[in-house]
Amino acid sequence: KNEVEQSPQNLTAQEGEFITINCSYSVGISALHWLQQHPGGGIVSLFMLSSGKKKHGRLIATINIQEKHSSLHITASHPRDSAVYICAVRSGSQGNLIFGKGTKLSVKP
Amino acid sequence: GAGVSQSPRYKVAKRGQDVALRCDPISGHVSLFWYQQALGQGPEFLTYFQNEAQLDKSGLPSDRFFAERPEGSVSTLKIQRTQQEDSAVYLCASSQAVRYGELFFGEGSRLTVL
Repeated sequence: KNEVEQSPQNLTAQEGEFITINCSYSVGISALHWLQQHPGGGIVSLFMLSSGKKKHGRLIATINIQEKHSSLHITASHPRDSAVYICAVRSGSQGNLIFGKGTKLSVKP
Repeated sequence: GAGVSQSPRYKVAKRGQDVALRCDPISGHVSLFWYQQALGQGPEFLTYFQNEAQLDKSGLPSDRFFAERPEGSVSTLKIQRTQQEDSAVYLCASSQAVRYGELFFGEGSRLTVL
């Protein structure tokens, strides 16, 4: 079993839909990152959180430390949100990231 | 530039060749990470530098992989005697903080070994 599990693996949505991507982890963490990766490889950090909830524009990230679970929500989705969303947890004394396999999101106009 | 810069963006090597991949982190960033991302997979940790010190190299898959950051800024990932299974995107990320800061990623270097 992977230490970081994401669901769903693939997600297709219509423009305007509310989207939720889930991340569960099995290790102790100091922080959890949500990352966005567009075709071509570039990765952008969306959120880094260790508790509670963060919001940036149409994106909301929540984490429940007790349940070892985090969710990324996208409100009013748009085709430009199409990308791979990766959950990564920071664990260990040196802060190495353990990545999930990613959720490929496609938003249709 | 303002971001993390990696070069080359694309590299094709014949099996057995040595390759060197360069990472220019954001100026002043203390932490530097290398990751390997195979096609369709999430990135996997290779090694971590704090300034010039390589504090963790537990993710390097074999002794053919070597990384350095001699002056605590630019880092080079070297792969000797490349094999087909080394084909992947190699990502570099840097962070201002020692441990828990936000990460900034480069565009990656895509290595294809024929």
